[in-house]
Amino acid sequence: GQNIDQPTEMTATEGAIVQINCTYQTSGFNGLFWYQQHAGEAPTFLSYNVLDGLEEKGRFSSFLSRSKGYSYLLLKELQMKDSASYLCAALSWGKFQFGAGTQVVVTP
Amino acid sequence: GAVVSQHPSRVICKSGTSVKIECRSLDFQATTMFWYRQFPKQSLMLMATSNEGSKATYEQGVEKDKFLINHASLTLSTLTVTSAHPEDSSFYICSASNGYTFGSGTRLTVV
Repeated sequence: GQNIDQPTEMTATEGAIVQINCTYQTSGFNGLFWYQQHAGEAPTFLSYNVLDGLEEKGRFSSFLSRSKGYSYLLLKELQMKDSASYLCAALSWGKFQFGAGTQVVVTP
Repeated sequence: GAVVSQHPSRVICKSGTSVKIECRSLDFQATTMFWYRQFPKQSLMLMATSNEGSKATYEQGVEKDKFLINHASLTLSTLTVTSAHPEDSSFYICSASNGYTFGSGTRLTVV
């Protein structure tokens, strides 16, 4: 079956770096997506990896290892507004399988 | 970039009534759209794939007669929750099939 795992919650201080890990077990894998979701709102797209390696987009970077079924999202120079849930999603046979989300709490 | 407009953002309805949620692609043609449901502190669960001009494809366990999907044009997909019950209260979200663009979501509360 399909399985996407990520930690439930992480806490970090303003200005720090946080790494959110995501492991997946899917068939027909064709990419790993990361989203940010604030409470009561729809997700917004952050990053996408289809090949192994690191994708950097400003303060956010995402890494993928297809052989290990592993990805992470790196958030640098944390700001208070980064407090949100971060969802990883595996694209599998043309559909998205979402993890339950990691709630990141940024403290002053 | 691609924009999906979803309405209404919030709706409260009485048990037994039906509610229609609309998703419009504003600047692109969407032959396929996804409909998700999200309960509090849980993941987005794919309910169905909406296909323009043909029947929707429902995920296992989703009642197609209860959650009616219509995708009659390249810019509009609708989800109708029929005979809604309190357990249908949830956050419903549509998205383009590219994975980049989501509607703003509809908070449905059935009382």
